[in-house]
Amino acid sequence: NAGVTQTPKFQVLKTGQSMTLQCAQDMNHEYMSWYRQDPGMGLRLIHYSVGAGITDQGEVPNGYNVSRSTTEDFPLRLLSAAPSQTSVYFCASSFSGGGETQYFGPGTRLLVL
Amino acid sequence: EDKVVQSPLSLVVHEGDTVTLNCSYEVTNFRSLLWYKQEKKAPTFLFMLTSSGIEKKSGRLSSILDKKELFSILNITATQTGDSAVYLCAVRNYGQNFVFGPGTRLSVLP
Repeated sequence: NAGVTQTPKFQVLKTGQSMTLQCAQDMNHEYMSWYRQDPGMGLRLIHYSVGAGITDQGEVPNGYNVSRSTTEDFPLRLLSAAPSQTSVYFCASSFSGGGETQYFGPGTRLLVL
Repeated sequence: EDKVVQSPLSLVVHEGDTVTLNCSYEVTNFRSLLWYKQEKKAPTFLFMLTSSGIEKKSGRLSSILDKKELFSILNITATQTGDSAVYLCAVRNYGQNFVFGPGTRLSVLP
């Protein structure tokens, strides 16, 4: 099993550009989520999904879109990048039963100039 | 609003010391509490706690949950430089989301 994979590992964008951060898992997890991590702030939930076709907003959703067309993939789209979106982004997945931890991808470091 | 608080935010100790990290929470519909270790990459899972008073142990690390007082502690005995990391506490609710605290940055000096 590859676990949770994310691409790219690092990206530089200019203000106003758009891009998609890719996330995939091969563990058949229903629950997938995106977090951003900024210094001293822990992990903040951006969007999450409890299954294919179902997405919802987390704590900091503004400026981001998601979709979940398959169980495996959960891409995060930045519509018009802003310097405030400079961060490290983690994708994570878990089973929905509540008795499991979640597994994290390696992260994407994003710099918006 | 669900909230997780960790203390201290930063801690410096010497090898061989014992440390206790604290996590308190306010979460509706509590399901589980989890501890993660984060070095310069993604968080890695340490413990998941769902019941009060039952200690989870892994080597020099142990953790316990008090659901009445809404807190958990993570103990590390005989610390080593390899224990230097950020330790994250998270709580999962029945809405299935994980709410994270800000983390405790532990530095272990040789």
